[in-house]
Amino acid sequence: QKEVEQNSGPLSVPEGAIASLNCTYSDRGSQSFFWYRQYSGKSPELIMSIYSNGDKEDGRFTAQLNKASQYVSLLIRDSQPSDSATYLCASFTGGGNKLTFGTGTQLKVEL
Amino acid sequence: DADVTQTPRNRITKTGKRIMLECSQTKGHDRMYWYRQDPGLGLRLIYYSFDVKDINKGEISDGYSVSRQAQAKFSLSLESAIPNQTALYFCATRAGGTNTEAFFGQGTRLTVV
Repeated sequence: QKEVEQNSGPLSVPEGAIASLNCTYSDRGSQSFFWYRQYSGKSPELIMSIYSNGDKEDGRFTAQLNKASQYVSLLIRDSQPSDSATYLCASFTGGGNKLTFGTGTQLKVEL
Repeated sequence: DADVTQTPRNRITKTGKRIMLECSQTKGHDRMYWYRQDPGLGLRLIYYSFDVKDINKGEISDGYSVSRQAQAKFSLSLESAIPNQTALYFCATRAGGTNTEAFFGQGTRLTVV
């Protein structure tokens, strides 16, 4: 079992819709979680971080964490074509020593 | 200038050659990481370091070695490159603590022929 799992997609949504990206993790000791956006051939850039159960909102982005279900999600409201990218979920595993990434979900926002 | 700099940005090398990828950072972070990225496989951790005396293997360290020459410098070496090491390599840094984000270099695209 991979430590961080994501559906690889592609996830296609129409412009203006809500995109929902999901991630599960196996290490119950994981304390912090991150969503990175990566355009093709570029380096990942941080979109959101979340450490506590519940929702965290930043502009069009909302991160959700449910530690009981070991589940993290990212919602993107009013999706734009510029949001088309691969979204990587990451967590600190191994007692907080390793930063582990999922395989990423490719998002396509269609006009 | 970028806070995390990788050199070279692109490299083509032959099978069996030794090659070094370098990473330097100006963020003052003590934690540094090397990842490789292959299509469909995400970012996989090769090695990570918490300071110059602390080096740890990641999930795919075979065929690689690292050197932490200073707090700001972390190099990745392929002792004898093979074609399946063709990938995009990223260096990342972060400050101490669990609630700190990682910052990435621009990446090195390595091709082994």
